[in-house]
Amino acid sequence: DQQVKQNSPSLSVQEGRISILNCDYTNSMFDYFLWYKKYPAEGPTFLISISSIKDKNEDGRFTVFLNKSAKHLSLHIVPSQPGDSAVYFCAASAHNQGGKLIFGQGTELSVKP
Amino acid sequence: ETGVTQTPRHLVMGMTNKKSLKCEQHLGHNAMYWYKQSAKKPLELMFVYSLEERVENNSVPSRFSPECPNSSHLFLHLHTLQPEDSALYLCASSQEAGGVLNTEAFFGQGTRLTVV
Repeated sequence: DQQVKQNSPSLSVQEGRISILNCDYTNSMFDYFLWYKKYPAEGPTFLISISSIKDKNEDGRFTVFLNKSAKHLSLHIVPSQPGDSAVYFCAASAHNQGGKLIFGQGTELSVKP
Repeated sequence: ETGVTQTPRHLVMGMTNKKSLKCEQHLGHNAMYWYKQSAKKPLELMFVYSLEERVENNSVPSRFSPECPNSSHLFLHLHTLQPEDSALYLCASSQEAGGVLNTEAFFGQGTRLTVV
């Protein structure tokens, strides 16, 4: 049973436009959510996170939205840049379940000039 | 030195070989992890070491054997692997506090393993 799902394996966006990456989860105990970015031949790097007590967290061009009732979160990148092209992993954890990160399958974002 | 370093970056091994993957972290963390990433699949947690003790083994076959000699080093010993074990193996570290693994893990670049 996959607790964190990213249903879009790929996304293509024009430079300057908004990229929206989506993530759904099933475990209602998750209370912390993260996005990681991965370039080819590199390990994932932390991008942005959000606690379940918030519904939005913004860091520069990156904003994460959390909808707890729908068990859904999304990452918005605006404006998108070619350097944003990478695989984006959504991850979630539950403090009372040890805090282990559970990852989604990833979405490959391609930003075209 | 970068935060989490893995060697080798690429490894090709036969099914009868024995090899080891190495991970070293320079972040002062007290928890280390092995993840497996297969194509189009989520990152799969294989092993967790906290304070040098294995705290989780997610039903990983015995042909994968981890070793954590100290809080900075983690090994994954491989023997009699199968072609389906070909994947990217990622090491990560984090700081555990109060029995809870810190949710922000730092990853190495990974070892691309091919079993032939």
